[in-house]
Amino acid sequence: AQKVTQAQTEISVVEKEDVTLDCVYETRDTTYYLFWYKQPPSGELVFLIRRNSFDEQNEISGRYSWNFQKSTSSFNFTITASQVVDSAVYFCALSDSFMDTGRRALTFGSGTRLQVQP
Amino acid sequence: KAGVTQTPRYLIKTRGQQVTLSCSPISGHRSVSWYQQTPGQGLQFLFEYFSETQRNKGNFPGRFSGRQFSNSRSEMNVSTLELGDSALYLCASSLEQVTRSEEQFFGPGTRLTVL
Repeated sequence: AQKVTQAQTEISVVEKEDVTLDCVYETRDTTYYLFWYKQPPSGELVFLIRRNSFDEQNEISGRYSWNFQKSTSSFNFTITASQVVDSAVYFCALSDSFMDTGRRALTFGSGTRLQVQP
Repeated sequence: KAGVTQTPRYLIKTRGQQVTLSCSPISGHRSVSWYQQTPGQGLQFLFEYFSETQRNKGNFPGRFSGRQFSNSRSEMNVSTLELGDSALYLCASSLEQVTRSEEQFFGPGTRLTVL
């Protein structure tokens, strides 16, 4: 069965520090997609990145970067020079086979609450 | 382009009542998925509708049901409410049926409190 583990429940950093959020996943599929979403206090999930299982290239978008390592089933997210506005709950999610139907749904990790102190 | 909208944003009900939540997807999106978010269980998939048909269902009791209309708007219904149904209910829309690669756009959610 698919599973996403975000072992860090809460992280607190001071502004301008770099921070890495860990994500480990389990799946039997050879083809799957991984996502990161941000949930600010308003509650709406904001899409950050999608990565498919065949593309292990790391990606950088501004202060955000993602490290996908299939060998360790990890998809970690790093924020460089964190800012107060980065404070939110971050979710890692996996999209792969759904039960026996072959259809898809997102399996979310439990989330990591990031607090960036000024 | 307007985002996903959900109504109402907040709702208070008592045990045993039923409730209906509404979701309007982004214009042109045909797939709507529903998720329940609680502190204990996290984010869990409820069901997905595409072209007025339920295509996917999570592991929730039959008290949870939904439907989708011809304009892609979706409603979710919970009957015989229990205290444990208190949660943030999130709706997400995507262009086509949810596949491995589909990006889902989430609404702000409806916070349901059951007393």
